[in-house]
Formats: sequence, C-alpha cells, structure tokens
Amino acid sequence: SQKIEQNSEALNIQEGKTATLTCNYTNYSPAYLQWYRQDPGRGPVFLLLIRENEKEKRKERLKVTFDTTLKQSLFHITASQPADSATYLCAPQRDDYKLSFGAGTTVTVRA
Amino acid sequence: EAGVAQSPRYKIIEKRQSVAFWCNPISGHATLYWYQQILGQGPKLLIQFQNNGVVDDSQLPKDRFSAERLKGVDSTLKIQPAKLEDSAVYLCASSFGGARGYTFGSGTRLTVV
Repeated sequence: SQKIEQNSEALNIQEGKTATLTCNYTNYSPAYLQWYRQDPGRGPVFLLLIRENEKEKRKERLKVTFDTTLKQSLFHITASQPADSATYLCAPQRDDYKLSFGAGTTVTVRA
Repeated sequence: EAGVAQSPRYKIIEKRQSVAFWCNPISGHATLYWYQQILGQGPKLLIQFQNNGVVDDSQLPKDRFSAERLKGVDSTLKIQPAKLEDSAVYLCASSFGGARGYTFGSGTRLTVV
C-alpha cells in the first residue's frame, strides 16, 4: 500500500540556521509534490508545488527538491525565524491529481 | 480574497448522536474536498466533489457518513450515528482543480463522548 513518511522526530533548531525536512514515499509514483504549513488549531496552508520534471523549486527562504529515483523530497527553511515554528506536511499528488498527506514534521525555532 | 468558511468550529456530541458540518468554498473553485484529521496524523481524504458531482468517495464510511454539495457551491458533511473514533478535526478545502494548491478552512473539531 502507499506510504508517506516524514521525519518522525520533531525538529528543534536555532534561529538563523537551516531546517531540513525529509519526505519519503513508497509504492507511489506522484507526478507532483506539495508542501503545506499547519499551525495549531488551523487548517493547512499551501506553500509550494514541485513537478516530477523539476529538480528544485524556491520561494523566498523556502527550497524544495524532488528526487523521483530516491522517491524523496527535501524541504529546506533557510535563515529560520521563530515565526517559522509550525508543522510542515508533505503531500504527494498523483497524475489524476489525488493528493495524500504525510503525518507532518513539527519544527520549533528557538530565538 | 475570502477564505474557506467552515462552521461550527467546535462540536461535542454523545456517541450515536448525529452531527453536521458546513463549508463555503472560495468563489470560483470547482473542486471541494472534505478531509478528516486525527490528532498526530495527516489529513485523510473523505470525499471530493467536482462542481456538484462526486469524484472520489472511496474512503468515506458510507454506512454513517454522507455529504452533499448543492448547486456546486456550499457543502455539508453529516455523521449519523457518531462513534468515539470519529473524534477528529474535519477540514474542508477547495481548489481550481488540477495541479494546484488547496485552500483549507480552519476545520471543525469534533469530540464524541
């Protein structure tokens, strides 16, 4: 069955450092991969979408990579700030556009 | 632009009772989704509408859950009768469809006691 795995441990980092989150998927061949941010008590907020033919995508301090051979996506937050503290959800999307979510990785940025 | 509106924000019911959730998507978004998010897990798709037609309801427990989207705009999700394991946050999302990001509402937190 399809499986999406994100960093099982929460990530605690110092302000200004780079946070790197991992998303691995198995029994799956997504054509796209989306990343969302979720704050406590709120719905997920869309951040980035990367296509299978794109290796890397950037948006401000965020960078996403997509390696279809390794079946992995990496999500980087550079120059992290306390306001970046949240749970980040990986969401592979098939070519029929069906979207599935991982359990998320919680990031805490210490000032 | 206005976001996805959901109500109520919180609901506490006893098991075997019924409950309904309402969602108003972003204007112009043809696709509407209902997700269930259990604490500590990612959202799980329950049902997807394209305009007012159902595209995917393969993970909807149809013996107790039902959903409708009248006139291709607002949607309601109903649970009858509720079980303890239905305690979760019910999220509504909408999109233009295709390979685009979804816009989520803040969700309804349901507690079944």
